[in-house]
Amino acid sequence: DQQVKQNSPSLSVQEGRISILNCDYTNSMFDYFLWYKKYPAEGPTFLISISSIKDKNEDGRFTVFLNKSAKHLSLHIVPSQPGDSAVYFCAASFNYGGSQGNLIFGKGTKLSVKP
Amino acid sequence: GAVVSQHPSWVICKSGTSVKIECRSLDFQATTMFWYRQFPKQSLMLMATSNEGSKATYEQGVEKDKFLINHASLTLSTLTVTSAHPEDSSFYICSAFSPPYNEQFFGPGTRLTVL
Repeated sequence: DQQVKQNSPSLSVQEGRISILNCDYTNSMFDYFLWYKKYPAEGPTFLISISSIKDKNEDGRFTVFLNKSAKHLSLHIVPSQPGDSAVYFCAASFNYGGSQGNLIFGKGTKLSVKP
Repeated sequence: GAVVSQHPSWVICKSGTSVKIECRSLDFQATTMFWYRQFPKQSLMLMATSNEGSKATYEQGVEKDKFLINHASLTLSTLTVTSAHPEDSSFYICSAFSPPYNEQFFGPGTRLTVL
């Protein structure tokens, strides 16, 4: 029973264009959402997060949108760069900040940004 | 940023043997460390949460007698897979949390292959 779903295992985008990574969740009790980026042979690194009281959070080229009614969030990367090529994981938590564990991860989406 | 290391990065062992994986926070003290497991094409799944000096809390379905976790210091946690079997072959990844940072920092992971 997958509570956090990333239905696209891969995404290919041209450099300079927008990358949109999608994530759906089933549990309306989640109150915090995070995106992690993972390069091969490295652990996931935190990218951006959003609490359930917001619908948008922006950090440079990265913006996360949250649609609570649809239980959907998305990560937008504009403009995409070849260095953004990595696997992106969506995660959800029941407690603000996810600091105490209970991070529920999606399966990840592999983003390839072509020069 | 905070750095978490894991050792070994990969290990191959025979069925029935035990394997120890170390997780270290290199430049900060981690009050809590988490252990995750990721099977191919699956999401990261939390196995257990450990706080320094106390017993680990295991997630449902994770055998505490099979996956021994020790968190003896604020910079080191170990996961021992006892009597490993081929179905234990997986990618094991730890993360460390420290209140000042309010986020989890992930190690690079350990690839375990049980023959």
